Amino acid sequence: GNSVTQMEGPVTLSEEAFLTINCTYTATGYPSLFWYVQYPGEGLQLLLKATKADDKGSNKGFEATYRKETTSFHLEKGSVQVSDSAVYFCALSTTTSGTYKYIFGTGTRLKVLA
Amino acid sequence: NAGVTQTPKFRVLKTGQSMTLLCAQDMNHEYMYWYRQDPGMGLRLIHYSVGEGTTAKGEVPDGYNVSRLKKQNFLLGLESAAPSQTSVYFCASTGTGGRTEQYFGPGTRLTVT
Repeated sequence: GNSVTQMEGPVTLSEEAFLTINCTYTATGYPSLFWYVQYPGEGLQLLLKATKADDKGSNKGFEATYRKETTSFHLEKGSVQVSDSAVYFCALSTTTSGTYKYIFGTGTRLKVLA
Repeated sequence: NAGVTQTPKFRVLKTGQSMTLLCAQDMNHEYMYWYRQDPGMGLRLIHYSVGEGTTAKGEVPDGYNVSRLKKQNFLLGLESAAPSQTSVYFCASTGTGGRTEQYFGPGTRLTVT
């Protein structure tokens, strides 16, 4: 079946460090891929997305490239800030009999220290 | 434009009590979803709807019922709450499905004692 696997946290970094959060997926067909961010006490909000192979999604300094050959969508940021502390979810959308569903990873907590 | 709203934000129930969680969206979205979020388990789909008057089961539907009488509202009911239903519940909506992102509400934190 379809699934998303992302690295376990927490990930603890110093401010201005480089961030990578790994995400791999299993899916039939051609899913769309997403990264969502959840700040404490809030719902998930879209960070970036990619809809086809080799697309790069980017937003707020974060980037991720849809790699079909490695079934990966790793999240990167060159210089993290304390305000980036949150939980990050990798997700995919796929269709079954015309109905779209979303599969989420378990989330990776990021802590950025000043 | 409020996006997706959920009521209530917090609730404490005793085992066996019932309640309804309300989700409303003002984006004219066709698809609506209910998830639960538990530590270490990400989001799990409870029920979803592909349009007004339709509902379907997700990954963990047992103990929950839903209704979508109006396009903008999606209700999640717990008929007889159990401690295992202690969780944070999120509603989400999406426009045409598939390649568009989901919009999430702020969540409802439910504790069943």
